[in-house]
Amino acid sequence: SQELEQSPQSLIVQEGKNLTINCTSSKTLYGLYWYKQKYGEGLIFLMMLQKGGEEKSHEKITAKLDEKKQQSSLHITASQPSHAGIYLCGADPLIQGAQKLVFGQGTRLTINP
Amino acid sequence: GAGVSQSPRYKVAKRGQDVALRCDPISGHVSLFWYQQALGQGPEFLTYFQNEAQLDKSGLPSDRFFAERPEGSVSTLKIQRTQQEDSAVYLCASSLAGTGTSGREETQYFGPGTRLLVL
Repeated sequence: SQELEQSPQSLIVQEGKNLTINCTSSKTLYGLYWYKQKYGEGLIFLMMLQKGGEEKSHEKITAKLDEKKQQSSLHITASQPSHAGIYLCGADPLIQGAQKLVFGQGTRLTINP
Repeated sequence: GAGVSQSPRYKVAKRGQDVALRCDPISGHVSLFWYQQALGQGPEFLTYFQNEAQLDKSGLPSDRFFAERPEGSVSTLKIQRTQQEDSAVYLCASSLAGTGTSGREETQYFGPGTRLLVL
């Protein structure tokens, strides 16, 4: 079965600094999703990547999927307190159809003012 | 509604009690998923519906867990004879597409979750 490992498990950065979160898969990724979760809330969809080498950006968050489609990174530029939360990567283990997602354990991001 | 809603948001149950958790997906969404999230972990898949059909229930941990979606919209996750290890956040998600499609229609949108505590 497919497993996702995220690193680091937790991260504390000073406001304004850049940071990167990684997600590594044990198998080829056919669809990779990034979500953000705040305590007591559900998951907020950020981005989805499908093609090797694909890169997407939304505001100050950029996500990339490597050419081999086994690793993704999430990069935040000039971090703000609103970026704090738990970031989760989720993978579609099937070739077609996202019938269920397998998730990493999450990365807890804290932004210090 | 604008998003996926779940009720109740919090539930405290005594061990052995039955509970029912409700999910209202985004209107028109074909697929509905239930996940269980233990403290400090990522969500784990429980079961999946396409319209009213339960196509995958491989993640249900025991026969005490039962889910239904009789009219292809609202879904209920029922846990019978709750145990302390059932304590978790139960998340519901919906997506526009059925199987065999690709792209953004497959994106799963999550509700706020139901936090279940079994004493």
